[in-house]
Amino acid sequence: DTAVSQTPKYLVTQMGNDKSIKCEQNLGHDTMYWYKQDSKKFLKIMFSYNNKELIINETVPNRFSPKSPDKAHLNLHINSLELGDSAVYFCASSLQGSGANVLTFGAGSRLTVL
Amino acid sequence: SQKIEQNSEALNIQEGKTATLTCNYTNYSPAYLQWYRQDPGRGPVFLLLIRENEKEKRKERLKVTFDTTLKQSLFHITASQPADSATYLCALDNDYKLSFGAGTTVTVRA
Repeated sequence: DTAVSQTPKYLVTQMGNDKSIKCEQNLGHDTMYWYKQDSKKFLKIMFSYNNKELIINETVPNRFSPKSPDKAHLNLHINSLELGDSAVYFCASSLQGSGANVLTFGAGSRLTVL
Repeated sequence: SQKIEQNSEALNIQEGKTATLTCNYTNYSPAYLQWYRQDPGRGPVFLLLIRENEKEKRKERLKVTFDTTLKQSLFHITASQPADSATYLCALDNDYKLSFGAGTTVTVRA
């Protein structure tokens, strides 16, 4: 199946821990994103990579570090987790230069920090 | 500051009626505007895109209008069905990134 897949789907962890979320797309897209959706359902962009190069870095704490080993993968590592990091994190991808930035989203990774 | 406002958090309508959702924006000059659908526990799914030089776009029972003077888009679901129940998000391009409104949750009653 062509898709954006992210793992894990659920993540429950203690405050202070470090965790990673992985994302892979097989759509042949060249740009990938991380979005955060909080409890009020507001979807906010965090990072974007185009061909492994960071192009968008919103005001996000340094504890969040994205990594793109190749244009099909974008991982998100979070250090020293805090209660406020609890949210659903969505990975997405798109094809730049296609005339419009239409995003394909993954199913989301729900992070709960206790 | 930049804002994207969707008219209401929730919209309840009777099956067969038309649902109309509003997306207003300030301090954006988008080249295009998009609408996405999000079901509970899932990621948003792209529905329609309308460019700044287009007044109206249709796809099956969906219709989108875009008024750059009013800075507003209207999203219509005609002959609504219970399967249309979901949250609908509008999104604007802004410096190579897509910014989303908070969404309107539509519930269609049988």
